[in-house]
Amino acid sequence: AQSVAQPEDQVNVAEGNPLTVKCTYSVSGNPYLFWYVQYPNRGLQFLLKYITGDNLVKGSYGFEAEFNKSQTSFHLKKPSALVSDSALYFCAVRGYVTGNTPLVFGKGTRLSVIA
Amino acid sequence: GAVVSQHPSWVICKSGTSVKIECRSLDFQATTMFWYRQFPKQSLMLMATSNEGSKATYEQGVEKDKFLINHASLTLSTLTVTSAHPEDSSFYICSARGGRAEAFFGQGTRLTVV
Repeated sequence: AQSVAQPEDQVNVAEGNPLTVKCTYSVSGNPYLFWYVQYPNRGLQFLLKYITGDNLVKGSYGFEAEFNKSQTSFHLKKPSALVSDSALYFCAVRGYVTGNTPLVFGKGTRLSVIA
Repeated sequence: GAVVSQHPSWVICKSGTSVKIECRSLDFQATTMFWYRQFPKQSLMLMATSNEGSKATYEQGVEKDKFLINHASLTLSTLTVTSAHPEDSSFYICSARGGRAEAFFGQGTRLTVV
């Protein structure tokens, strides 16, 4: 079975500081990994994905994530946080690629960037 | 990225009535669409998966007769909440996937049943 763990319910960071939102996963075979962001009363916006290739993936709004196979992790990072980055972040995984396979989401991590 | 439009954004209905939520992929063909339900401060709970022209596959515990899903075309899926009750009040989100690995999400629909 596929699963995603986001160990932190809440992450607080000062504006301008680097941020990290943690994610670990469990899946059979090669993982397809994703990060999404959700603003209040809105759907999810796609940030980035890892399919294959370089372990460091760059995405939207200056975010990046590093795939670590040995640690089964896919932590989201940004070098310098903005107040506007405050939102709910979801990590998701798919264990194999077929059209029907849904994403499995973590519980979400609320990021609060303080000015 | 690809655009998925969900309508309405919010709806209030009386108990016992039915509500239809539409999900459209605007610039790509969505071979598969997913419907999720999100409770306050919780993650997304997958309700069902639908493929164009086929019956939806419902997750365990989701009543298929209550949550009717239709995916009649490659750009449109609908979720109808039949005989709605206050406990059906929630945030419903659709997601669509075409040829890419990632799925794209609608804006969500806030349903309140009074």
